[in-house]
Amino acid sequence: SQTIHQWPATLVQPVGSPLSLECTVEGTSNPNLYWYRQAAGRGLQLLFYSVGIGQISSEVPQNLSASRPQDRQFILSSKKLLLSDSGFYLCAWSVGRLREGPGRKAFFGQGTRLTVV
Amino acid sequence: AQRVTQPEKLLSVFKGAPVELKCNYSYSGSPELFWYVQYSRQRLQLLLRHISRESIKGFTADLNKGETSFHLKKPFAQEEDSAMYYCALRGETSGSRLTFGEGTQLTVNP
Repeated sequence: SQTIHQWPATLVQPVGSPLSLECTVEGTSNPNLYWYRQAAGRGLQLLFYSVGIGQISSEVPQNLSASRPQDRQFILSSKKLLLSDSGFYLCAWSVGRLREGPGRKAFFGQGTRLTVV
Repeated sequence: AQRVTQPEKLLSVFKGAPVELKCNYSYSGSPELFWYVQYSRQRLQLLLRHISRESIKGFTADLNKGETSFHLKKPFAQEEDSAMYYCALRGETSGSRLTFGEGTQLTVNP
């Protein structure tokens, strides 16, 4: 069966420090991978998505970046955190292009609560 | 561009009352529409998808292409339905991203 792991669960970082959140998927290959930020009152905002290794699409301009060094690994990074980067970050995956079909649902990780102080 | 709008951030109903969570979308082709739900302290998870024409936990949603809507409905709300609900859209092209609305927090009061 497929599983998605996201860590850490909680992170408190000072302003200006770097960030690295990691997400890995098991039990599938060539998944589509996503990073979302869930902010109170602002819903679920798509930050990045990837359809393959090294292929990253950014949805909104921001202080963050994403990388996909391996097929089932998706990393969210920042060189210098801002206070406004605080939030709840969710990683998700869905069936990728090799298994096209309608109704492909997304599976979400447990999320990371990031507080920038 | 694809966009999902959920006009109600908060919705409160009494147990046993009908509930409708609104979702409107903007997409030029034939989209796939989904409803996701997040119960307190649980992961975001799929509730239902339009392609399946299913009813899950008493909820249904019909894709209305003319009105570009995908409203979620339940005739008799239960307290355990209290959760955050997100409407989502995926485009028809290969590798299309999944775009979410801002979510509606549903509270079902006893």
